[in-house]
Amino acid sequence: NAGVMQNPRHLVRRRGQEARLRCSPVKGHSHVYWYRQLPEEGLKFMVYLQKENIIDESGMPKERFSAEFPKEGPSILRIQQVVRGDSAAYFCASSQQGASEAFFGQGTRLTVV
Amino acid sequence: SQQGEEDPQALSIQEGENATMNCSYKTSINNLQWYRQNSGRGLVHLILIRSNEREKHSGRLRVTLDTSKKSSSLLITASRAADTASYFCATVPTGGGADGLTFGKGTHLIIQP
Repeated sequence: NAGVMQNPRHLVRRRGQEARLRCSPVKGHSHVYWYRQLPEEGLKFMVYLQKENIIDESGMPKERFSAEFPKEGPSILRIQQVVRGDSAAYFCASSQQGASEAFFGQGTRLTVV
Repeated sequence: SQQGEEDPQALSIQEGENATMNCSYKTSINNLQWYRQNSGRGLVHLILIRSNEREKHSGRLRVTLDTSKKSSSLLITASRAADTASYFCATVPTGGGADGLTFGKGTHLIIQP
């Protein structure tokens, strides 16, 4: 009974490179959320996805960030042309339904150098 | 303004004492959830309280919800050193989880042995 699996746990990218963060939800969960946590801050909602659909991306920066949750495979958060300000911990959560308990992964810590 | 504002931002108490953390929010909610985050780790779901509930218990945890004041409190009784962590409240708005969970900045709890 695996929980939410995120990989990699740590990711270092140079400015201008692309970062791809993966999230495998709990088996049977069809709702995935991505959050960003800046140092010393709380979590900020980024995007809410169901299989093959983006339900709400109101927390996602308009440029360089994209997310997908395909029919098969993990959810991917993609950051193009990373900048130092993108350095943060990115958490993925999954749930069976939108308003039920969410299970979180361990997070991916992105460092942009 | 952000939903789910925790208070205080930091709390340090002696082992064995009770710890109380508060959370205020602004809009109507379906439910409110409390999470714990140990340093450098993912979040762990502690307890969910629905909008029609006033109090809920789970082990040494007691959560109250006052929808008229739009506030919740988390009480940890007989605290232990292992309770040292950041605690976040998160709200799910009325009408479903279209926005995902909205978190505050958290309360950092330190239990002195």
